[in-house]
Amino acid sequence: DIQMTQSPSAMSASVGDRVSITCRASQDISKSLAWFQQKPGKAPKSLIYAASSLQSGVPSKFSGSGSGTDFTLTISSLQPEDFATYYCQQYKSYPYTFGQGTKLEI
Amino acid sequence: EEQLVESGGGLVQPGGSLRLSCAVSGFTFSDYYMDWVRQAPGKGLEWIGRSRPKANGYTTEYAASVRGRFTVSRDDSKNSLYLQMDSLKADDTAMYYCARGYHSFDVWGRGTMVTVSS
Repeated sequence: DIQMTQSPSAMSASVGDRVSITCRASQDISKSLAWFQQKPGKAPKSLIYAASSLQSGVPSKFSGSGSGTDFTLTISSLQPEDFATYYCQQYKSYPYTFGQGTKLEI
Repeated sequence: EEQLVESGGGLVQPGGSLRLSCAVSGFTFSDYYMDWVRQAPGKGLEWIGRSRPKANGYTTEYAASVRGRFTVSRDDSKNSLYLQMDSLKADDTAMYYCARGYHSFDVWGRGTMVTVSS
C-alpha cells in the first residue's frame, strides 16, 4: 500500500496568514493526489485534484503543487472559515489512502 | 444540485450485519464510479470500497480491512449505492460516507453512523 505522510500534524496560524501543508507519498504517484478540507461534524469537502487542479467552486486562495512523491497545499490570506483539518489522498493505486490529516488552528 | 444521502446506520452487535444505502440525485448515477469512505471517531479517513459503472462491468474494489466481509453494490434503476456489512467488529465503528468517484472524490454525502457494540 502507498503510505501518505502529512506535515505538520497540527499548526496554528492567524487570520491573514499564508500557510503551506506538505504531503509525501511512499512511492511515485505522478499527479494522482487530492486535497480535502473537513470541519468538525461535517463531511470532507474536495478542494484540489490532480495535485494542482481546483475543484469547481473552490476559491483560488487554495492552491496545490507537486508531483511524484512530494506535494504541497497552500492557503493564502487565511479567514476564520479556513480553520479546519486538511487531508491529502492518493488515487494512483488501490487501496486509495489518505494522509493522517493536518489540523489548522487559530 | 448533486446530492448524496446515506442511510441505514445504527447500533449493531459484534458479529452482526447492516446494510447502508446512498441515494443519489442531481447527476446521472449510472455513469459514475462510486465509493465508500469511513471515519472512526476522532480518527482520519479510510477508503473502504468502490463500485464501477456498467461500462466498466460493475466491478468492485475493497480495502484489505473489509474484503470478504463488506460488499459494495449498486442499483442504477434506483440511483442507489449500497454497502452490505457482515461479521461486524468493534473496529468498524465509524461514520460512513458515500462519495462520487470523479477527480478523486468530488461530491460527498453527510454520512451515516455505525456503532458496533454489545
